[in-house]
Amino acid sequence: EVQLVESGGGLVKPGRSLRLSCTGSGFTFGDYGMSWFRQAPGKGLEWVGFIRSKRYAENTEYVASVKGRFTISRDDSKGIAYLQMNSLNTEDTALYYCARARGWSSTYSSDYWGQGALVTVSS
Amino acid sequence: QSVLTQPPSVSAAPGQRVTISCTGSSSNIGAHYGVHWYQHLPGTAPKLLIYGNINRPSGIPDRFSGSTSGTSASLAISGLQAEDEADYYCQSYDTSRGVVFGGGTKLTVL
Repeated sequence: EVQLVESGGGLVKPGRSLRLSCTGSGFTFGDYGMSWFRQAPGKGLEWVGFIRSKRYAENTEYVASVKGRFTISRDDSKGIAYLQMNSLNTEDTALYYCARARGWSSTYSSDYWGQGALVTVSS
Repeated sequence: QSVLTQPPSVSAAPGQRVTISCTGSSSNIGAHYGVHWYQHLPGTAPKLLIYGNINRPSGIPDRFSGSTSGTSASLAISGLQAEDEADYYCQSYDTSRGVVFGGGTKLTVL
């Protein structure tokens, strides 16, 4: 059974950093691109970024609002994708989801999602 | 303001058919990037309903169907059931912005 579990969420002050982890199981993690999404309170789903598999050079893409602040990486030996979030601001407060892409690029849908990790940015 | 436009809400009685529209532009749906649809209950994992405009993943009943035309897409749900009450999102890719979503549509089963 495919499972994705996010961890590392919490309360953080504006300007600080936080790293989320997404641990996958039940599939060959290294064969898939991985996405991060978020949902702010009372808002809709928003794409955060994407990392391709090693076969495609682990290239990354980001939404404009996080480019330069957030970094996605992966450790296929552990089956984990990471979302490093720096210079956090209150607008980054959201439930963050990781998801498995159905194909090699971010144009594909995401077929399995985690339950989410809550990140609250507040002083 | 979402790049893809969905109606904020739709409603219908059990057993009826409902459609949810998703309007984009020439830089996303009109550029032939696939449209995907998700069902979401807030705080839970979104569920993929339709991928690549018209395809259903294994386990998704054929009550759910997708279509596209020009710069728009639609999700149709027939034989509406109480458990279909949820938020529905369309997703595509935009040449300028990357992965984009609609603002979401809340489906109420009357």
